[in-house]
Amino acid sequence: DTGVSQDPRHKITKRGQNVTFRCDPISEHNRLYWYRQTLGQGPEFLTYFQNEAQLEKSRLLSDRFSAERPKGSFSTLEIQRTEQGDSAMYLCASSPSRRGGFNEQFFGPGTRLTVL
Amino acid sequence: DQQVKQNSPSLSVQEGRISILNCDYTNSMFDYFLWYKKYPAEGPTFLISISSIKDKNEDGRFTVFLNKSAKHLSLHIVPSQPGDSAVYFCAASVGTSGSRLTFGEGTQLTVNP
Repeated sequence: DTGVSQDPRHKITKRGQNVTFRCDPISEHNRLYWYRQTLGQGPEFLTYFQNEAQLEKSRLLSDRFSAERPKGSFSTLEIQRTEQGDSAMYLCASSPSRRGGFNEQFFGPGTRLTVL
Repeated sequence: DQQVKQNSPSLSVQEGRISILNCDYTNSMFDYFLWYKKYPAEGPTFLISISSIKDKNEDGRFTVFLNKSAKHLSLHIVPSQPGDSAVYFCAASVGTSGSRLTFGEGTQLTVNP
């Protein structure tokens, strides 16, 4: 069962450093989503790709954040000049794009970022 | 602006009894609703969903009820089992195709043996 995978699972970094996370979606899914979850809150939408095209970005995604999905398969999320407020769980999800009905999003285990 | 709200941070029930988790929303454009379950150190797992054209959807021990006029939905688990202990998130979407999910804050369910 090859679900959504994320790497690394944990990342500790110092304020001001850059970090990059990777997400590998379920292979036949052409939609990929990034969410961020802080303690006591539900996941918050960051951005969404259909194949390699980034179709939607949340206002939460400041100019320090950039996401790519260059070949429509895996995706990376980079945070530049990290701040302590960036500490959170970063979740990736993927879904198919079948016509009709709802396409559920399947989540990976997340990358927990701690900025010291 | 919290468009999806779960007012109970925690719920404790006895094994075999019914668990009822509640969720309210404010955005009348939402037309699809989902419940996810999350165990520690894992990502959310899809549980059950309901379209706004329905008022009930059932899957085994899980039933979701939607009251559009009240902008309220609930998840019923019966009978509750200790393995159901997890954080439950309510989520909503506008449209069914490629839409972002808007989540509530979550409710920690504890089922006591």
